[in-house]
Amino acid sequence: DTGVSQDPRHKITKRGQNVTFRCDPISEHNRLYWYRQTLGQGPEFLTYFQNEAQLEKSRLLSDRFSAERPKGSFSTLEIQRTEQGDSAMYLCASSPETLGQFFGPGTRLTVL
Amino acid sequence: GQNIDQPTEMTATEGAIVQINCTYQTSGFNGLFWYQQHAGEAPTFLSYNVLDGLEEKGRFSSFLSRSKGYSYLLLKELQMKDSASYLCAPGGYQKVTFGTGTKLQVIP
Repeated sequence: DTGVSQDPRHKITKRGQNVTFRCDPISEHNRLYWYRQTLGQGPEFLTYFQNEAQLEKSRLLSDRFSAERPKGSFSTLEIQRTEQGDSAMYLCASSPETLGQFFGPGTRLTVL
Repeated sequence: GQNIDQPTEMTATEGAIVQINCTYQTSGFNGLFWYQQHAGEAPTFLSYNVLDGLEEKGRFSSFLSRSKGYSYLLLKELQMKDSASYLCAPGGYQKVTFGTGTKLQVIP
């Protein structure tokens, strides 16, 4: 399968715990995006990378959130001290220079 | 900033045609994407319009008017599997912004 993959697909955690998600983009895509989506809403932009450089972060991304893409390939999104409001679907997408973004299956986070 | 407006819900009959409208006000506009999203799944790419006019791709067509900040997605010969949310996403060169989506229900 050469699409975008995300791991884990589901994560249940207790409030206050740290969680980390991984995204593996389509191999020839140099851009990688993270979004958060809650029920009834469209995906909200969190951050994006061009190769290993993080070019933009949304103001939605508090300092409890951090994302990395150390070698310009896979990326991780970490949430520290999770809160119930962090419960959402976290989507990763990748794209080549000018075409549409291709989404992974998402990681559904539930914070108890 | 970005302001995207599309209907929240629509219902249409199997075999019919439905048009989903989207108006937008964005900065740094380069093109407009439409995505389909089934419940519980990730969005899938449908179309991308850069120039004004209609782009046809099978049963789905997408139209763009840059001067009016307006786009629509046209679905023909509706099938039950077309029941999904349809996301309008105007984009700049580097990123896109998604609307809240139009939930389409196709009924027999």
